[in-house]
Amino acid sequence: GENVEQHPSTLSVQEGDSAVIKCTYSDSASNYFPWYKQELGKGPQLIIDIRSNVGEKKDQRIAVTLNKTAKHFSLHITETQPEDSAVYFCAASGSGGSNYKLTFGKGTLLTVNP
Amino acid sequence: SAVISQKPSRDICQRGTSLTIQCQVDSQVTMMFWYRQQPGQSLTLIATANQGSEATYESGFVIDKFPISRPNLTFSTLTVSNMSPEDSSIYLCSVATGASNQPQHFGDGTRLSIL
Repeated sequence: GENVEQHPSTLSVQEGDSAVIKCTYSDSASNYFPWYKQELGKGPQLIIDIRSNVGEKKDQRIAVTLNKTAKHFSLHITETQPEDSAVYFCAASGSGGSNYKLTFGKGTLLTVNP
Repeated sequence: SAVISQKPSRDICQRGTSLTIQCQVDSQVTMMFWYRQQPGQSLTLIATANQGSEATYESGFVIDKFPISRPNLTFSTLTVSNMSPEDSSIYLCSVATGASNQPQHFGDGTRLSIL
């Protein structure tokens, strides 16, 4: 089955700096890659996603890039703010004909220091 | 996106008992899923709740332990049966409006502790 690796597990940045979280996936058949933000006591919130026919997608301060050849995708957050502090999860789906099953990375705890 | 409500939000249960978790969506959705998130860990899919038929379980999860119902397009339940401390986790419901790589949206989860 699909395997998603996520790095780093923790990331601490100063307010205003950029943050980058990277994920790799194992199954070249995967074709949908969402990113979720989970705050303490809440469920994961979808913040951005990308499909395999697109190399990059941007939404205000958040962008995601996808390299299908290398089987990796990254989340970029610019001008970080303290409210960006949370656990971020990447995921992949489309592997093995299961076009809905999400396989998640282990998460990155992002801390933005004021 | 759909508003997803889970009940209860948290509970503390005795080992050997069972608890049913409810997931209500404010609009009709095609797909409903149940995930487990163990403390400080990532999310693992338990099963897909299929309307009008048995749920589809992932490897390592069985119907006797996690019976699921989905009577209509807006509601599903997950029961955690014969609980042990190892079942202490967050249980999350998610929904998607379509079957093919549509975004999944999550409820806030049920935080379950087993004594």
